[in-house]
Amino acid sequence: GENVEQHPSTLSVQEGDSAVIKCTYSDSASNYFPWYKQELGKRPQLIIDIRSNVGEKKDQRIAVTLNKTAKHFSLHITETQPEDSAVYFCAAVMEYGNKLVFGAGTILRVKS
Amino acid sequence: DAGITQSPRHKVTETGTPVTLRCHQTENHRYMYWYRQDPGHGLRLIHYSYGVKDTDKGEVSDGYSVSRSKTEDFLLTLESATSSQTSVYFCAISGLAAYNEQFFGPGTRLTVL
Repeated sequence: GENVEQHPSTLSVQEGDSAVIKCTYSDSASNYFPWYKQELGKRPQLIIDIRSNVGEKKDQRIAVTLNKTAKHFSLHITETQPEDSAVYFCAAVMEYGNKLVFGAGTILRVKS
Repeated sequence: DAGITQSPRHKVTETGTPVTLRCHQTENHRYMYWYRQDPGHGLRLIHYSYGVKDTDKGEVSDGYSVSRSKTEDFLLTLESATSSQTSVYFCAISGLAAYNEQFFGPGTRLTVL
């Protein structure tokens, strides 16, 4: 069925280093890929998204890249800070835009 | 945060009892979603609504039903709660289907004993 695989499940980095989270999706018709951040005890919130007509999008320290041929997309966080510590979820739209399918999440820990 | 609330925020119930969770929005968004969040599984879609009285199933809909009688309210019902339905439930809203940002509610922590 439709699914999104996300790796790694946990990631620890030193403050100031970069972090990369990767996702692959199954539905070749998917054309919208958002990333959500969830801090401990909070609700998920959108941090960046990308549509299939572009290969990369940046917003300050975060960027997302998309490879439609390989059906994978990645989140890049540069100059990580302790407040980046959270769970990050990738997602891909399925079924003509009515549903988002989420990856299982990545716990990012930034050590200071 | 977008105008979206969930009630109750916490609930403990016993196996076999019916449970209804409520999601209320003040944004007049057309799309509403119910997800459950479990460790190792991310957010999984239970049901969604694309308008008043218009609903459809998600990937984990067994044991759940929904209703939407007005734009602002989306109800999730567990007809006969089981321990496997112990989870954190999130409601989300979106103005233009899944192609745009979904705004999540604060979540409901449900424990089924």
